[in-house]
Amino acid sequence: ETGVTQTPRHLVMGMTNKKSLKCEQHLGHNAMYWYKQSAKKPLELMFVYNFKEQTENNSVPSRFSPECPNSSHLFLHLHTLQPEDSALYLCASSNPGQGVVTEAFFGQGTRLTVV
Amino acid sequence: GQSLEQPSEVTAVEGAIVQINCTYQTSGFYGLSWYQQHDGGAPTFLSYNALDGLEETGRFSSFLSRSDSYGYLLLQELQMKDSASYFCAAPNRDDKIIFGKGTRLHILP
Repeated sequence: ETGVTQTPRHLVMGMTNKKSLKCEQHLGHNAMYWYKQSAKKPLELMFVYNFKEQTENNSVPSRFSPECPNSSHLFLHLHTLQPEDSALYLCASSNPGQGVVTEAFFGQGTRLTVV
Repeated sequence: GQSLEQPSEVTAVEGAIVQINCTYQTSGFYGLSWYQQHDGGAPTFLSYNALDGLEETGRFSSFLSRSDSYGYLLLQELQMKDSASYFCAAPNRDDKIIFGKGTRLHILP
């Protein structure tokens, strides 16, 4: 098994649909992240969880709702998305040393298309 | 705020050496990381420099100068499989990492 696994790999959804992205890490890390990757833009940090507690929400619209039931699983619930939300959504995990992340491990991402 | 600037594209020839630069502006700086991402793949960690100087790992080396707020990734003996996007990144406090926009490396045979 790879370290960080994301499902599904591809998702097409309508603007009125509700769907969820799933991420699972098998590395024993304490922190998990959701990033959004759009063309020509930097990786945008959306949410950070450390020991299941959300420590960061970078002003993400409420149509994105994260859930972290335990330190190995992370979900991103999606509802009433817009076409501009189409992007690659990447999950990552790390073991921050004194709050500093020197290395993050990424999943393969979910390619989301909103139609 | 924080920002990391790197060129959007670089082209080099197979077997040659290429350097990808990164300049940063951060309110608190701990070090500079580099990641590689192939098309359709996940970003993978390459290196981390906490201190000034050159770190070498096989064909890849990474350099940091804190006084110049500058670093670079050096790729030697380029191979076609090195065609990818390369991101510099800076860890922040509170378990965060900020990424640059990435440099697309094109390798010509």
